[in-house]
Amino acid sequence: QGHLVQSGAEVKRPGASVRVSCKASGYTFSDSYMHWVRQAPGHGLEWMGLINPSGNTGVAQNFQGRLTLTRDTSTSTAYMELSSLKSDDTAVYYCAKGGGMNGYYFDHWGQGTQVIVSS
Amino acid sequence: SYVLTQPPSVSVAPGKAATITCGGTNNKNVYWYQQKPGQAPILVIYYNSDRPSGIPERFSGSNSGNTATLTISRVEAGDEADYYCQVWDVYSDHRVFGGGTKLTVL
Repeated sequence: QGHLVQSGAEVKRPGASVRVSCKASGYTFSDSYMHWVRQAPGHGLEWMGLINPSGNTGVAQNFQGRLTLTRDTSTSTAYMELSSLKSDDTAVYYCAKGGGMNGYYFDHWGQGTQVIVSS
Repeated sequence: SYVLTQPPSVSVAPGKAATITCGGTNNKNVYWYQQKPGQAPILVIYYNSDRPSGIPERFSGSNSGNTATLTISRVEAGDEADYYCQVWDVYSDHRVFGGGTKLTVL
């Protein structure tokens, strides 16, 4: 089983950064992949990146240089920080636990965090 | 970059079967998610055809060559949702989603 609880909605100015947290329970956090996925209004799901059990990260090309993924195994919490925000970063951001040996898919999802970027 | 192609929409009458395709899978394992309005996605099929616990047997999946298929038999009004396919790109270690299919129950 797995349960993921994300931090609350954010409103940011263009150029700012946003940090979203994702607290996990019900499974061994340090042994699992954690992914981040976003969904812009009226659009589909977009994979952003992952942090693996070793703490190494992988980031989709669209977010290279702007996305930082970290985790705190002592509190079973993952963090996603996106910098240099633009209006088209307005979206719902999800954390999702990786399923399978190498986190191939997403077997549990957080409830989502709304991020609005507006001047 | 890797591209998965889904039909934007599929409509089906209650009690009939709905079929949603995902092209470009290139013999990779395929995963399917259901997302209802205002909710987070949930996993409905993994490794092409396995169902997580709690997912009705009416949901089934297959994958042949370059196209995967999600089939929902005896469709109910509660199955109305967006459905997304997803693969793991072994070369980049990235995960890729299809564009999504909106299932409408007539």
